[in-house]
Amino acid sequence: EAQVTQNPRYLITVTGKKLTVTCSQNMNHEYMSWYRQDPGLGLRQIYYSMNVEVTDKGDVPEGYKVSRKEKRNFPLILESPSPNQTSLYFCATHGQSSTDTQYFGPGTRLTVL
Amino acid sequence: AQTVTQSQPEMSVQEAETVTLSCTYDTSESNYYLFWYKQPPSRQMILVIRQEAYKQQNATENRFSVNFQKAAKSFSLKISDSQLGDTAMYFCAFMYPGGTIQGAQKLVFGQGTRLTINP
Repeated sequence: EAQVTQNPRYLITVTGKKLTVTCSQNMNHEYMSWYRQDPGLGLRQIYYSMNVEVTDKGDVPEGYKVSRKEKRNFPLILESPSPNQTSLYFCATHGQSSTDTQYFGPGTRLTVL
Repeated sequence: AQTVTQSQPEMSVQEAETVTLSCTYDTSESNYYLFWYKQPPSRQMILVIRQEAYKQQNATENRFSVNFQKAAKSFSLKISDSQLGDTAMYFCAFMYPGGTIQGAQKLVFGQGTRLTINP
């Protein structure tokens, strides 16, 4: 079964405490990306990756880091979280073809106090 | 800049009625794809329907169909015989070649329309 998993699903933390949200897929897809969802703004892309060690900024990359050391994993790192990073985060993946369906993870609700 | 606009923040209809959600987009690209995603209270993002810009025929998936007007840059979603399970947030999205990495595709979302189906 095609699957994108994210952990944790819920996280409450404090300002400045480093955290990592993991994303893993079992479809051998090259393309992975991170989005944040905020009310009235829809989903906005944070970072994306075309393959191992190939990453690039999306539309709202400030305050985030990513790495792609393995094809199946694409963790999102917040080195020093701030309250404005309180949001719902989604990992997504799809194959190389632009006609491939994009699969989304279940989402991670992050609250930064 | 590529943008997607959903002008209806909220909509509400009675069960079994037909409802149309609006979406407009702005682009100079000629090769792109359009999507409607459904997000129920579980927050899972579910693909409802997709449309390739080069296809003139409107896409249809069971009770869901689109009205794709390329010249007007409009991509509305029609839900026929609406059901209680259709209650969700609906996002219009637009995929186009973009980013600094060759071959990258960018996906841009609208603000969303919260649809409520009343019994």
